[in-house]
Amino acid sequence: EAGVAQSPRYKIIEKRQSVAFWCNPISGHATLYWYQQILGQGPKLLIQFQNNGVVDDSQLPKDRFSAERLKGVDSTLKIQPAKLEDSAVYLCASTRPGTGGGEAFFGQGTRLTVV
Amino acid sequence: AQSVAQPEDQVNVAEGNPLTVKCTYSVSGNPYLFWYVQYPNRGLQFLLKYITGDNLVKGSYGFEAEFNKSQTSFHLKKPSALVSDSALYFCAVTLGGGYQKVTFGTGTKLQVIP
Repeated sequence: EAGVAQSPRYKIIEKRQSVAFWCNPISGHATLYWYQQILGQGPKLLIQFQNNGVVDDSQLPKDRFSAERLKGVDSTLKIQPAKLEDSAVYLCASTRPGTGGGEAFFGQGTRLTVV
Repeated sequence: AQSVAQPEDQVNVAEGNPLTVKCTYSVSGNPYLFWYVQYPNRGLQFLLKYITGDNLVKGSYGFEAEFNKSQTSFHLKKPSALVSDSALYFCAVTLGGGYQKVTFGTGTKLQVIP
């Protein structure tokens, strides 16, 4: 089966600019996650979707980050305006139904550098 | 709140020797536990999981992990390390059932020395 697709792979922006990331999960995977992985740290969950509904966005900085998953398939994550501390790899993951949220398939990530 | 601790930032082991990467967890309830591996410039890849049953679980690439409820640990092991096992390893925990949040540890860099 095709894996989780993410684009772009790399992005460099100046602080206060906006940026958007795209994710296409594995077909049939209802649950989609966005993680932020800062260098030297483990992935931190930003938002979890079940189909097109939000299950958990408690760690999403809502003043600058937004995400949507229209039609319960593709998802976009947006940052506006970006700060230097947003430099990280943004990982998208999806899970099959019934796996309890853990056995996830990850995309290669988008490496964001804010200068 | 649930948490995962990986006490070693880096583990060095000689090729052919057994390896252990440590993980302890804290969760209120029955845990689902996972190990993932991350190679440079790649996303995370699932290695193995414990949900219920036998405390020793086997996964991909010859890895296995032992669930110890009394010590709240889930250490990753392999009998004979390969140079190609060198990567970043993450332990993760979630509560079983439904669509629960997954918490990852900070990662352990495994270096297998030829």
